[in-house]
Amino acid sequence: DTAVSQTPKYLVTQMGNDKSIKCEQNLGHDTMYWYKQDSKKFLKIMFSYNNKELIINETVPNRFSPKSPDKAHLNLHINSLELGDSAVYFCASSGTGQTDTQYFGPGTRLTVL
Amino acid sequence: SQKIEQNSEALNIQEGKTATLTCNYTNYSPAYLQWYRQDPGRGPVFLLLIRENEKEKRKERLKVTFDTTLKQSLFHITASQPADSATYLCALQYSSASKIIFGSGTRLSIRP
Repeated sequence: DTAVSQTPKYLVTQMGNDKSIKCEQNLGHDTMYWYKQDSKKFLKIMFSYNNKELIINETVPNRFSPKSPDKAHLNLHINSLELGDSAVYFCASSGTGQTDTQYFGPGTRLTVL
Repeated sequence: SQKIEQNSEALNIQEGKTATLTCNYTNYSPAYLQWYRQDPGRGPVFLLLIRENEKEKRKERLKVTFDTTLKQSLFHITASQPADSATYLCALQYSSASKIIFGSGTRLSIRP
């Protein structure tokens, strides 16, 4: 069984479009995250949710809006996509306290043309 | 702001040797330091966590050290194998409530 799953795996779209990436974890974890990994391989946190509440919101354009319908799901919606949004987006989850092991999803490679 | 540097972008070593990867940070020491492995096209996978009051942690062929004086962590893979080839990321966390900050990784290649 997949622990953290994301869909889609690949997303190719035009500038200006709106797109969503879905994430689900079946580990029973309380905390979920979105990370962005750029072409230089830096992995940067974007958002963190604990039990459906936003607890970390890095300096991310407000075109990015996370939504957590329940603690097993954290979706990422991106409005008005720009070329610079092209990257790999990873969802992750962790148990009680953020020092616990982070379990990452397989990633979604977003390409904006 | 906090900076994390992993010693080199790529490291190539002979199978059977010990691979040593370095993670240096600036400013104050984190409470926790983690190491992850990332294979191409996949998400990072957790390997080891070491706390600031721990000098060393081991898991099978892996060993991590944490020197708060040098502001450095070393990650060792002994008896390296081609299957150990991957990118290794270090990550810092300053408290249990703070975000995790990742380094850019070191791509390790083990040649047969």
